[in-house]
Amino acid sequence: SAVISQKPSRDICQRGTSLTIQCQVDSQVTMMFWYRQQPGQSLTLIATANQGSEATYESGFVIDKFPISRPNLTFSTLTVSNMSPEDSSIYLCSGLRGRFYNEQFFGPGTRLTVL
Amino acid sequence: AQKITQTQPGMFVQEKEAVTLDCTYDTSDQSYGLFWYKQPSSGEMIFLIYQGSYDEQNATEGRYSLNFQKARKSANLVISASQLGDSAMYFCAMREGNQGGKLIFGQGTELSVKP
Repeated sequence: SAVISQKPSRDICQRGTSLTIQCQVDSQVTMMFWYRQQPGQSLTLIATANQGSEATYESGFVIDKFPISRPNLTFSTLTVSNMSPEDSSIYLCSGLRGRFYNEQFFGPGTRLTVL
Repeated sequence: AQKITQTQPGMFVQEKEAVTLDCTYDTSDQSYGLFWYKQPSSGEMIFLIYQGSYDEQNATEGRYSLNFQKARKSANLVISASQLGDSAMYFCAMREGNQGGKLIFGQGTELSVKP
């Protein structure tokens, strides 16, 4: 399986602050993504992290709230800005590889609690 | 309308028995992919198995197999010889057409394996 690491693994933050989550993938991954899993819910795609350019955001997610960088092929960051308790979720980095894009892996996730 | 439906919020199975987790999907695309993931209480998403819409044979990976019935739009996961470590949430997901890494997830099924 692809190696995807994230840090921090968890954090507790105060409302109004920001947190940056880092994701490192192995070199076989071709595309990188960020997902959110709210408590008791399924996963939702936030954005596709594009190397060297602005991320592609899904409906309902905006760059001001979730700025994403991907300076090179194997590294990406997601920032959760101006946090509120509603941002308490697990944030997961995901990588895609395989000739037919049939292998999509996830990092261990960052469990965020906003007080 | 939901694109991925998992109708079993919770399932119980006796250790060493087989269990089937249901998943139905809705798409008008001819090309799509279906994924199953396991999420233990730690929160990580573990990739289990993939089935492409054009694959003629059902996918298998060790104790996991996917019962793909295209006409019925179902992609049920079969776990053979259940183990205590199989207790977790299981998510079915679909990628439509050329949607890169955008996976649409079902609501999940919580599987409990009894000793």
